[in-house]
Amino acid sequence: AQSVTQPDIHITVSEGASLELRCNYSYGATPYLFWYVQSPGQGLQLLLKYFSGDTLVQGIKGFEAEFKRSQSSFNLRKPSVHWSDAAEYFCAVGGLGDYKLSFGAGTTVTVRA
Amino acid sequence: NAGVMQNPRHLVRRRGQEARLRCSPMKGHSHVYWYRQLPEEGLKFMVYLQKENIIDESGMPKERFSAEFPKEGPSILRIQQVVRGDSAAYFCASSPGGQRDTEAFFGQGTRLTVV
Repeated sequence: AQSVTQPDIHITVSEGASLELRCNYSYGATPYLFWYVQSPGQGLQLLLKYFSGDTLVQGIKGFEAEFKRSQSSFNLRKPSVHWSDAAEYFCAVGGLGDYKLSFGAGTTVTVRA
Repeated sequence: NAGVMQNPRHLVRRRGQEARLRCSPMKGHSHVYWYRQLPEEGLKFMVYLQKENIIDESGMPKERFSAEFPKEGPSILRIQQVVRGDSAAYFCASSPGGQRDTEAFFGQGTRLTVV
């Protein structure tokens, strides 16, 4: 069975500080991994995805994520957060031909001035 | 290039009424997925459809819920006799299909409130 765990329910970070969101997954085959962001009252926007190749993936809005197969992790990072990064972030896992995505419960990021 | 369009964005229904949620996939996409997000939870898969065909409805509640994706027009998620527990955000996603099935694009969701 596939599953995603996001251990941190809520993170508060100062504007300009770095941010790291944790994601651990369980998947029986080669995983496809995704990070989505959901701003209040909005839909899901894809930040980045990993299918294969370079394990360090660059996304939009200055985010990056690193796939570590040995740790079953796909952590999201941003060197310097902006107030507009306050949102909820979801990690998801799927696979080749596996149309169902399994989502973590999300991490809410609050940015303080 | 319009994205996945869902309407309405917000829907209020009284207990016992029917809710109809619509989803128009991205241009060129023939596969549609519905997910439900309950308060303070992640998204849960409900159903996967292609035109005129339900591929997988394993995530759909056994009663009151149905989905369709007709040859013409949007995909519809229908909830009959709504109850308070149906209050949630319902997201639709679409993909081109084939081996790119997992590269899905999401709409902005319909937030259903049952009063």
